[in-house]
Amino acid sequence: GEDVEQSLFLSVREGDSSVINCTYTDSSSTYLYWYKQEPGAGLQLLTYIFSNMDMKQDQRLTVLLNKKDKHLSLRIADTQTGDSAIYFCAESMVGGGFKTIFGAGTRLFVKA
Amino acid sequence: GAVVSQHPSWVICKSGTSVKIECRSLDFQATTMFWYRQFPKQSLMLMATSNEGSKATYEQGVEKDKFLINHASLTLSTLTVTSAHPEDSSFYICSARHEARRGGGTGELFFGEGSRLTVL
Repeated sequence: GEDVEQSLFLSVREGDSSVINCTYTDSSSTYLYWYKQEPGAGLQLLTYIFSNMDMKQDQRLTVLLNKKDKHLSLRIADTQTGDSAIYFCAESMVGGGFKTIFGAGTRLFVKA
Repeated sequence: GAVVSQHPSWVICKSGTSVKIECRSLDFQATTMFWYRQFPKQSLMLMATSNEGSKATYEQGVEKDKFLINHASLTLSTLTVTSAHPEDSSFYICSARHEARRGGGTGELFFGEGSRLTVL
């Protein structure tokens, strides 16, 4: 079955880079996403990558995809205190109405 | 950007009563909406897929009679928690896919703000 796994907690100092890792199981995934959730709020799409891409960069965000190992990572450069949130990795299936499966979320804590 | 609104954002009810949560796509049409449940410090658990004009598709383990879903229009889906009990207390989040972007789009989901249900 489909499964998305990610580490639950990451703590970094302000100004450092943060790297959040994720592994997924479904090889038919079309899109892989990173969503951000701030306390008491819904999720907001940060970035996404199509499954035939290796890397995508968007300002401070860099997404790396290793399709062979089914490993996805999100790097946040120059991490700020405002980046403190929960980051969810998600994969979207081919067919099935784009059913999206989420990982458990990585709680990023940025120390000033 | 596309906006999804949920109401109420929080609700407290007595055990045994029913609670309705609304999910609206404000500036786009959504034939498909999704309902998730999130426990503290845990991920989103997909409960059901709401389909406009037809029955919802429930995930395994989710009671259809407990969590009633109605998707009467292209901009509104409702989740009713019937005969609520304290174990139903949770954060419920809906999401919708922007239909205009579906064909050539990214499958991006737009999320509501969430509804926190507390059952006493």
